[in-house]
Amino acid sequence: EAGVVQSPRYKIIEKKQPVAFWCNPISGHNTLYWYRQNLGQGPELLIRYENEEAVDDSQLPKDRFSAERLKGVDSTLKIQPAELGDSAVYLCASSQIPTGGNEKLFFGSGTQLSVL
Amino acid sequence: AQTVTQSQPEMSVQEAETVTLSCTYDTSESDYYLFWYKQPPSRQMILVIRQEAYKQQNATENRFSVNFQKAAKSFSLKISDSQLGDAAMYFCAYRNSFQGGSEKLVFGKGMKLTVNP
Repeated sequence: EAGVVQSPRYKIIEKKQPVAFWCNPISGHNTLYWYRQNLGQGPELLIRYENEEAVDDSQLPKDRFSAERLKGVDSTLKIQPAELGDSAVYLCASSQIPTGGNEKLFFGSGTQLSVL
Repeated sequence: AQTVTQSQPEMSVQEAETVTLSCTYDTSESDYYLFWYKQPPSRQMILVIRQEAYKQQNATENRFSVNFQKAAKSFSLKISDSQLGDAAMYFCAYRNSFQGGSEKLVFGKGMKLTVNP
Protein backbone atom coordinates (compact mmCIF):
# COMPACT_ATOMS: atom_id res chain seq x y z
CA GLU A 1 0.00 0.00 0.00
CA ALA A 2 1.34 3.41 -0.95
CA GLY A 3 1.94 5.82 1.89
CA VAL A 4 1.23 9.54 2.06
CA VAL A 5 2.84 11.15 -0.97
CA GLN A 6 4.03 14.74 -0.97
CA SER A 7 5.61 16.84 -3.67
CA PRO A 8 7.89 18.52 -4.30
CA ARG A 9 10.44 17.21 -1.86
CA TYR A 10 12.44 20.45 -1.94
CA LYS A 11 11.54 23.95 -3.05
CA ILE A 12 13.71 27.05 -3.14
CA ILE A 13 12.10 30.37 -3.93
CA GLU A 14 12.75 34.05 -3.47
CA LYS A 15 10.71 36.02 -0.98
CA LYS A 16 7.43 37.44 -2.22
CA GLN A 17 7.04 34.57 -4.70
CA PRO A 18 4.12 32.14 -4.50
CA VAL A 19 4.60 28.45 -3.72
CA ALA A 20 2.34 25.40 -3.55
CA PHE A 21 2.69 22.01 -1.92
CA TRP A 22 0.72 18.93 -2.85
CA CYS A 23 -0.35 15.95 -0.73
CA ASN A 24 -1.93 12.66 -1.75
CA PRO A 25 -3.15 10.81 1.35
CA ILE A 26 -3.50 7.09 1.79
CA SER A 27 -6.49 5.77 -0.12
CA GLY A 28 -9.62 5.75 2.01
CA HIS A 29 -8.30 8.10 4.66
CA ASN A 30 -10.91 10.72 5.43
CA THR A 31 -8.80 12.98 7.62
CA LEU A 32 -5.86 15.04 6.39
CA TYR A 33 -3.46 17.31 8.30
CA TRP A 34 -0.90 19.92 7.28
CA TYR A 35 1.87 20.53 9.81
CA ARG A 36 4.75 22.99 9.68
CA GLN A 37 8.07 22.04 11.25
CA ASN A 38 10.54 24.85 11.86
CA LEU A 39 14.22 24.00 12.22
CA GLY A 40 14.92 22.45 15.61
CA GLN A 41 11.26 22.28 16.56
CA GLY A 42 8.42 19.79 16.57
CA PRO A 43 5.66 19.97 13.96
CA GLU A 44 2.81 22.41 14.56
CA LEU A 45 -0.65 22.01 13.07
CA LEU A 46 -1.65 24.42 10.32
CA ILE A 47 -4.96 22.93 9.23
CA ARG A 48 -7.01 19.77 9.69
CA TYR A 49 -9.58 18.39 7.27
CA GLU A 50 -12.30 15.85 7.78
CA ASN A 51 -13.30 14.87 4.27
CA GLU A 52 -13.64 18.20 2.41
CA GLU A 53 -14.30 20.30 5.51
CA ALA A 54 -11.58 22.26 7.26
CA VAL A 55 -12.47 21.54 10.88
CA ASP A 56 -9.49 23.35 12.44
CA ASP A 57 -7.67 26.14 10.63
CA SER A 58 -7.10 28.35 13.65
CA GLN A 59 -3.29 28.19 13.26
CA LEU A 60 -3.26 28.92 9.53
CA PRO A 61 -2.00 32.46 8.74
CA LYS A 62 -4.88 33.33 6.49
CA ASP A 63 -3.41 36.52 5.11
CA ARG A 64 -0.91 34.54 3.04
CA PHE A 65 -1.70 30.85 3.44
CA SER A 66 -4.54 28.96 1.82
CA ALA A 67 -5.43 25.30 1.55
CA GLU A 68 -7.95 23.19 -0.24
CA ARG A 69 -8.97 19.58 -0.35
CA LEU A 70 -11.08 18.95 -3.38
CA LYS A 71 -13.36 15.91 -3.36
CA GLY A 72 -11.98 14.98 0.05
CA VAL A 73 -8.84 13.36 -1.37
CA ASP A 74 -5.75 15.31 -2.49
CA SER A 75 -4.85 18.58 -0.83
CA THR A 76 -2.86 21.65 -1.80
CA LEU A 77 -1.28 24.16 0.56
CA LYS A 78 -0.35 27.53 -0.90
CA ILE A 79 1.68 30.47 0.33
CA GLN A 80 1.40 33.83 -1.44
CA PRO A 81 3.57 35.79 -1.01
CA ALA A 82 6.26 33.80 0.78
CA GLU A 83 8.34 35.43 3.52
CA LEU A 84 11.75 34.50 4.89
CA GLY A 85 10.14 33.12 8.05
CA ASP A 86 8.16 30.59 6.03
CA SER A 87 11.29 28.48 5.53
CA ALA A 88 10.41 25.15 7.12
CA VAL A 89 9.39 21.58 6.40
CA TYR A 90 5.72 21.18 5.55
CA LEU A 91 4.39 17.77 6.53
CA CYS A 92 1.16 16.16 5.45
CA ALA A 93 -0.50 13.36 7.40
CA SER A 94 -3.64 11.33 6.94
CA SER A 95 -5.77 8.95 8.96
CA GLN A 96 -8.97 7.00 8.86
CA ILE A 97 -11.13 7.66 11.87
CA PRO A 98 -12.25 4.32 13.27
CA THR A 99 -15.00 3.96 15.79
CA GLY A 100 -13.90 4.69 19.33
CA GLY A 101 -11.60 7.51 18.30
CA ASN A 102 -8.47 5.35 18.14
CA GLU A 103 -6.88 7.30 15.32
CA LYS A 104 -3.50 6.42 13.80
CA LEU A 105 -1.70 9.02 11.71
CA PHE A 106 0.53 8.32 8.73
CA PHE A 107 2.98 11.03 7.68
CA GLY A 108 4.52 11.88 4.36
CA SER A 109 8.18 12.83 3.93
CA GLY A 110 7.39 16.51 3.74
CA THR A 111 8.40 19.42 1.53
CA GLN A 112 11.42 21.41 2.64
CA LEU A 113 10.90 25.05 1.71
CA SER A 114 13.75 27.55 1.59
CA VAL A 115 12.83 31.20 1.07
CA LEU A 116 15.78 33.38 0.02
CA ALA B 1 -3.76 24.54 26.06
CA GLN B 2 -1.73 21.37 26.21
CA THR B 3 2.06 21.51 26.17
CA VAL B 4 4.78 18.90 25.75
CA THR B 5 8.32 19.38 27.06
CA GLN B 6 11.43 17.47 26.11
CA SER B 7 14.24 18.94 28.17
CA GLN B 8 17.13 16.94 26.71
CA PRO B 9 18.04 18.19 23.21
CA GLU B 10 20.57 15.42 22.57
CA MET B 11 21.58 12.03 23.92
CA SER B 12 23.98 9.32 22.89
CA VAL B 13 24.10 5.59 23.62
CA GLN B 14 26.41 2.73 22.81
CA GLU B 15 25.13 0.08 20.48
CA ALA B 16 23.38 -2.75 22.41
CA GLU B 17 22.95 -0.56 25.49
CA THR B 18 19.74 0.89 26.94
CA VAL B 19 18.73 4.54 26.82
CA THR B 20 15.78 6.45 28.29
CA LEU B 21 14.29 9.56 26.72
CA SER B 22 12.25 11.83 28.97
CA CYS B 23 9.09 13.80 28.31
CA THR B 24 6.67 15.76 30.46
CA TYR B 25 3.37 17.24 29.45
CA ASP B 26 0.67 19.47 30.81
CA THR B 27 -3.06 19.01 30.40
CA SER B 28 -6.27 19.40 32.35
CA GLU B 29 -7.88 16.48 30.51
CA SER B 30 -8.24 13.06 32.10
CA ASP B 31 -8.45 11.04 28.90
CA TYR B 32 -5.82 11.43 26.19
CA TYR B 33 -3.15 9.66 24.17
CA LEU B 34 0.62 9.98 24.32
CA PHE B 35 3.03 9.05 21.54
CA TRP B 36 6.67 8.73 20.69
CA TYR B 37 7.56 9.41 17.06
CA LYS B 38 10.87 8.83 15.34
CA GLN B 39 12.04 11.14 12.54
CA PRO B 40 15.04 9.92 10.55
CA PRO B 41 16.80 12.14 7.98
CA SER B 42 14.12 11.14 5.47
CA ARG B 43 11.84 13.48 7.49
CA GLN B 44 8.96 11.01 7.68
CA MET B 45 7.49 10.83 11.16
CA ILE B 46 7.23 7.18 12.21
CA LEU B 47 5.11 6.08 15.15
CA VAL B 48 7.21 4.19 17.70
CA ILE B 49 4.74 3.59 20.50
CA ARG B 50 1.40 4.83 21.82
CA GLN B 51 -0.05 4.99 25.34
CA GLU B 52 -3.69 5.51 26.25
CA ALA B 53 -4.03 7.52 29.44
CA TYR B 54 -6.85 5.40 30.87
CA LYS B 55 -4.67 2.30 30.72
CA GLN B 56 -2.45 1.80 33.73
CA GLN B 57 -0.28 -0.78 32.01
CA ASN B 58 2.77 0.66 30.26
CA ALA B 59 2.87 0.09 26.50
CA THR B 60 5.61 -2.04 24.95
CA GLU B 61 6.62 -2.64 21.34
CA ASN B 62 9.51 -5.08 21.00
CA ARG B 63 12.63 -3.17 22.17
CA PHE B 64 10.63 -0.04 23.00
CA SER B 65 8.73 0.52 26.22
CA VAL B 66 7.34 3.47 28.11
CA ASN B 67 7.14 4.53 31.72
CA PHE B 68 3.85 6.40 32.01
CA GLN B 69 3.34 8.28 35.27
CA LYS B 70 -0.05 9.96 34.95
CA ALA B 71 0.00 11.84 38.25
CA ALA B 72 3.44 13.24 37.50
CA LYS B 73 2.51 13.86 33.84
CA SER B 74 5.64 12.06 32.77
CA PHE B 75 6.06 9.81 29.74
CA SER B 76 9.53 8.39 29.13
CA LEU B 77 10.67 6.06 26.36
CA LYS B 78 13.14 3.25 27.00
CA ILE B 79 15.02 1.76 24.09
CA SER B 80 16.67 -1.56 24.90
CA ASP B 81 19.47 -3.19 22.90
CA SER B 82 20.02 0.03 20.92
CA GLN B 83 20.76 -0.40 17.24
CA LEU B 84 22.45 1.90 14.75
CA GLY B 85 19.12 2.29 12.99
CA ASP B 86 17.62 3.83 16.11
CA ALA B 87 19.63 7.00 15.52
CA ALA B 88 17.13 9.76 14.72
CA MET B 89 15.16 12.65 16.17
CA TYR B 90 12.57 11.50 18.68
CA PHE B 91 9.44 13.48 19.39
CA CYS B 92 7.02 13.09 22.25
CA ALA B 93 3.44 14.00 21.35
CA TYR B 94 0.05 14.44 23.02
CA ARG B 95 -3.48 14.17 21.67
CA ASN B 96 -6.82 14.68 23.36
CA SER B 97 -9.18 11.76 23.26
CA PHE B 98 -12.26 12.62 21.26
CA GLN B 99 -14.70 9.93 20.26
CA GLY B 100 -16.32 12.00 17.57
CA GLY B 101 -13.47 12.33 15.12
CA SER B 102 -9.94 13.59 14.67
CA GLU B 103 -7.79 15.60 17.01
CA LYS B 104 -4.50 17.38 16.46
CA LEU B 105 -1.16 16.18 17.83
CA VAL B 106 0.86 18.53 20.04
CA PHE B 107 4.58 17.81 19.73
CA GLY B 108 7.59 18.51 21.91
CA LYS B 109 10.73 20.07 20.45
CA GLY B 110 12.38 16.74 19.90
CA MET B 111 15.61 15.07 20.96
CA LYS B 112 18.47 13.87 18.79
CA LEU B 113 19.61 10.34 19.60
CA THR B 114 23.04 9.21 18.46
CA VAL B 115 23.98 5.52 18.58
CA ASN B 116 27.70 4.84 18.77
CA PRO B 117 29.08 1.56 17.35
